[in-house]
Amino acid sequence: KNEVEQSPQNLTAQEGEFITINCSYSVGISALHWLQQHPGGGIVSLFMLSSGKKKHGRLIATINIQEKHSSLHITASHPRDSAVYICAVEETSGSRLTFGEGTQLTVNP
Amino acid sequence: DTAVSQTPKYLVTQMGNDKSIKCEQNLGHDTMYWYKQDSKKFLKIMFSYNNKELIINETVPNRFSPKSPDKAHLNLHINSLELGDSAVYFCASSRRETTDTQYFGPGTRLTVL
Repeated sequence: KNEVEQSPQNLTAQEGEFITINCSYSVGISALHWLQQHPGGGIVSLFMLSSGKKKHGRLIATINIQEKHSSLHITASHPRDSAVYICAVEETSGSRLTFGEGTQLTVNP
Repeated sequence: DTAVSQTPKYLVTQMGNDKSIKCEQNLGHDTMYWYKQDSKKFLKIMFSYNNKELIINETVPNRFSPKSPDKAHLNLHINSLELGDSAVYFCASSRRETTDTQYFGPGTRLTVL
């Protein structure tokens, strides 16, 4: 079992829908990262958070340290949001990132 | 200006060959990383360097050897390439070693025939 579990693995939505991607982890962490991998393969860091909530444009990330759970929300989804979204945790025992398997999001017009 | 660059973008080679992938960052960051993304798109850390010192050395075959000539560069040399080495390799950097945003290079797709 992976230390970082994401759900769902695949998600198809219609343009304008509110989207939630979940991430659960089983280790103690110092931070949690959300990454976006474009269809062309490039990886971009969306958020790094260790508590509470962060917002950037239409994207919101939340984390509950006690429950070892984080969510990534996308409001008013758009086809250009189609990508793989990856959760990664930075363990308290070291600086290495442990990754989830990613969520493939497809937003149809 | 590209923040984290990798060369080459594509690398096709025969089994048994030795090859290198180069990574450079112009962000002034102290920490650099190599990640491997397998055919199922799963990412895994291979190495990290902080100020040219090896910090993380995951369980990878010793055919893989990272080299950091200076803070801005982290190269990956692979000896005696095997079919299972085929993957996309990403370089990344961050300002400091822990709890910091990582900036990724565009990736190098390695295909071993």
